[in-house]
Amino acid sequence: AQTVTQSQPEMSVQEAETVTLSCTYDTSESDYYLFWYKQPPSRQMILVIRQEAYKQQNATENRFSVNFQKAAKSFSLKISDSQLGDAAMYFCAYRSGGGGATNKLIFGTGTLLAVQP
Amino acid sequence: DAGVTQSPTHLIKTRGQQVTLRCSPKSGHDTVSWYQQALGQGPQFIFQYYEEEERQRGNFPDRFSGHQFPNYSSELNVNALLLGDSALYLCASSYTGGWGTEAFFGQGTRLTVV
Repeated sequence: AQTVTQSQPEMSVQEAETVTLSCTYDTSESDYYLFWYKQPPSRQMILVIRQEAYKQQNATENRFSVNFQKAAKSFSLKISDSQLGDAAMYFCAYRSGGGGATNKLIFGTGTLLAVQP
Repeated sequence: DAGVTQSPTHLIKTRGQQVTLRCSPKSGHDTVSWYQQALGQGPQFIFQYYEEEERQRGNFPDRFSGHQFPNYSSELNVNALLLGDSALYLCASSYTGGWGTEAFFGQGTRLTVV
């Protein structure tokens, strides 16, 4: 069975600074996807960034980028130029590749990010 | 596009009662998945519906059941409610043929069992 582990229950960053959230996962599959989701107080899960396991290049989306270390099964999220609106719970998630987007997501326990003005 | 809509947003039930939660998927999506998110935890997969049938199921008891209608909307039913069923229930919709696209989530239903 696949597992996702987030070892940082809470993190804090100053506005405009950079913060890195950690995630490790375990799987025996070769075809999979990794995600970071943001859950603000509105409760809706918002997709931040996606990484395909077969791609060596790390995904980037504006101020958000990942460090994907496949051999180490590590998948960290870097937020640059942090903004007050980045404050939220962040979840790392795993999805098997076969079956496309309909496969279930396996989530970590989350990291609560606070952004200090 | 209204995205994924869930109703109600909050509800309070008494232990032993039954509850029905509803989800309307994003336009163009044909698959609905349900997740339970306990306080301070990540979402846990309950089950998924496609073509009006349960296609995948997580590690949840039979008290949790669902249904999908011809218009792709879905219901989650929980019988004999326990205090431990108190959680945020999230619905996510996706498109079976949507390679490269991801699931969209609703804002959830907060269920409190007293």
